[in-house]
Amino acid sequence: QVQLVQSGAEVEKPGASVTVSCKASGYSFSSYGISWVRQAPGQGPEWMGWIGASDGDAYYAQRLQGRVTMTTDTSTTTAYMELRSLISDDTAVYYCARGRGTGEGFDYWGQGTLVIVSS
Amino acid sequence: SYELTQPASVSVSPGQTASITCSGDKLGNKYASWYQQKPGQSPVLVIYRDTKRPSGIPERFSGSNSGNTVTLTIRGAQAMDEADYYCQTWDSSTSVVFGGGTKLTVL
Repeated sequence: QVQLVQSGAEVEKPGASVTVSCKASGYSFSSYGISWVRQAPGQGPEWMGWIGASDGDAYYAQRLQGRVTMTTDTSTTTAYMELRSLISDDTAVYYCARGRGTGEGFDYWGQGTLVIVSS
Repeated sequence: SYELTQPASVSVSPGQTASITCSGDKLGNKYASWYQQKPGQSPVLVIYRDTKRPSGIPERFSGSNSGNTVTLTIRGAQAMDEADYYCQTWDSSTSVVFGGGTKLTVL
């Protein structure tokens, strides 16, 4: 069965960086893209960006450009999301989600990783 | 930037039909998806490409798209359907937008 298993919760100080991993299994990793979506407490989801697992092409939400980098490792079927220069507003649950392409939905989601940014 | 607008809350009696709308400029020209999210859980895809149901999603969930509005309809709503629902579309081939969410109460 398809599974996306994310790394554990993180507590970081303002200005630091955080990397969240997403281990995929149960499907052909290179055949799908991975999106990253975050959700601040009590808020709706916010799309952060997308990466093609086969070619590594990445597209980022405009408001995060310059602070976020998404990568994949096809040998371990793992996707990574690094967010730099953290601020308190980055406190959120971060999800990876499998995407089938433009116009399609995100059909499998990771369990979420809580990132707290606090001094 | 592109925006999707949803009502903050919708209430429905058990067994009745709930309709949740999502509006955006020229949304009828785009594909929309819907997600169900219960407290403390990850979102679950319930509708994609406006009207399609993923395997395992009950037939009581359906979607439609007309003009500037997409609608999620839950026929015969059950207590287990109480959740937050989010619409989502692609603003361009490389940009995704979510609606603000609708809290569905079944009472």
